[in-house]
Amino acid sequence: GENVEQHPSTLSVQEGDSAVIKCTYSDSASNYFPWYKQELGKRPQLIIDIRSNVGEKKDQRIAVTLNKTAKHFSLHITETQPEDSAVYFCAASRSTASKLTFGTGTRLQVTL
Amino acid sequence: NAGVTQTPKFRILKIGQSMTLQCTQDMNHNYMYWYRQDPGMGLKLIYYSVGAGITDKGEVPNGYNVSRSTTEDFPLRLELAAPSQTSVYFCASSYSATGGNPYEQYFGPGTRLTVT
Repeated sequence: GENVEQHPSTLSVQEGDSAVIKCTYSDSASNYFPWYKQELGKRPQLIIDIRSNVGEKKDQRIAVTLNKTAKHFSLHITETQPEDSAVYFCAASRSTASKLTFGTGTRLQVTL
Repeated sequence: NAGVTQTPKFRILKIGQSMTLQCTQDMNHNYMYWYRQDPGMGLKLIYYSVGAGITDKGEVPNGYNVSRSTTEDFPLRLELAAPSQTSVYFCASSYSATGGNPYEQYFGPGTRLTVT
């Protein structure tokens, strides 16, 4: 089955700096790669996703890049703010509405 | 829309007891999922369903059962609870043929279960 590895497990940045979280996946048939943000005690919420027919997608301060050849994808957050502090999970799946395999999460802390 | 709702929010079980975690969605989604999240870990898929009457095992199905008699509801049954089942359980749903992002999974608020 699919295996998703995520690094780093914790990340501390100063407000205004950029943060990068990286994931690798094992199943070459995976074609959908979402990123979820989970605040303490809350449910995961989708922040951005990318499909395998594009290499990069951006939404304001967040962007995701995908390298299908190397089987890795990354989340980039620019101009970080304290409210970006949360746990971020990457995931991968083979098709629309198919089961997701999650990474183990990255705890991002944005300090003032 | 209420989205995905789960009950109860919290529950403490004794070893060997049984319970059902309820999950309901009002977005007319075809697909529904149950995940567990252990402290400091990612989410692991327990069971999923692609439509009423159809269920399939995920990564960690042992000790659990599900049913899907309607589009809206997807209860998770724990038989003979064990301490290893202490976790936070999330229900999720996705994919409506009538519109929206077909890929996005919407999560419920979770049920925090402790087995002692």
